Amino acid sequence: AQSVTQLGSHVSVSEGALVLLRCNYSSSVPPYLFWYVQYPNQGLQLLLKYTTGATLVKGINGFEAEFKKSETSFHLTKPSAHMSDAAEYFCAVSGGTSYGKLTFGQGTILTVHP
Amino acid sequence: KAGVTQTPRYLIKTRGQQVTLSCSPISGHRSVSWYQQTPGQGLQFLFEYFSETQRNKGNFPGRFSGRQFSNSRSEMNVSTLELGDSALYLCASSLRSGRTGEQYFGPGTRLTVT
Repeated sequence: AQSVTQLGSHVSVSEGALVLLRCNYSSSVPPYLFWYVQYPNQGLQLLLKYTTGATLVKGINGFEAEFKKSETSFHLTKPSAHMSDAAEYFCAVSGGTSYGKLTFGQGTILTVHP
Repeated sequence: KAGVTQTPRYLIKTRGQQVTLSCSPISGHRSVSWYQQTPGQGLQFLFEYFSETQRNKGNFPGRFSGRQFSNSRSEMNVSTLELGDSALYLCASSLRSGRTGEQYFGPGTRLTVT
């Protein structure tokens, strides 16, 4: 079974500041991990994914995430926040024989102040 | 390439009625997954279809059902609607089934049950 915990339901940063959104996972098999972003009244957009190989994953819009097996973490970062980054972010895990199923965290709402 | 489309975008139904939602995946994608998103429960997996076969099912009552057609388009049906079924229903498509394929989401159908 898989589960995801996102630490902090709300994160607020100033424009230009570092963005750090935390995600910890639990998985009985090697996990495949994803970050999605959701803007109001829209579906989810894939930011980045980790499957195997390099543990530092780069995604769209300047975001990246690092897979740390020892810490069971997959935190999302962006060096400099932009106003357009304000949205809700979801960490998700898939694994095992659970076909087509992503298990999502509860989401983190990112607010960016000017 | 066109993204995932869902119809209708908004729907208002009365308790006891039934509803059918439609999803057209990205061209060439054969896997379609459905999710329910609510403020209280977050994103929850409903089911996944691949090549017209349901391969996985989440923990939802039998009132929730789905199917997939030979062109990979999918529908989900909810019978005997309850107030708690009010949610955003998201469809996601993937090139292949299993845990490795990233999922691409549609804009969702907002269902309101009164």
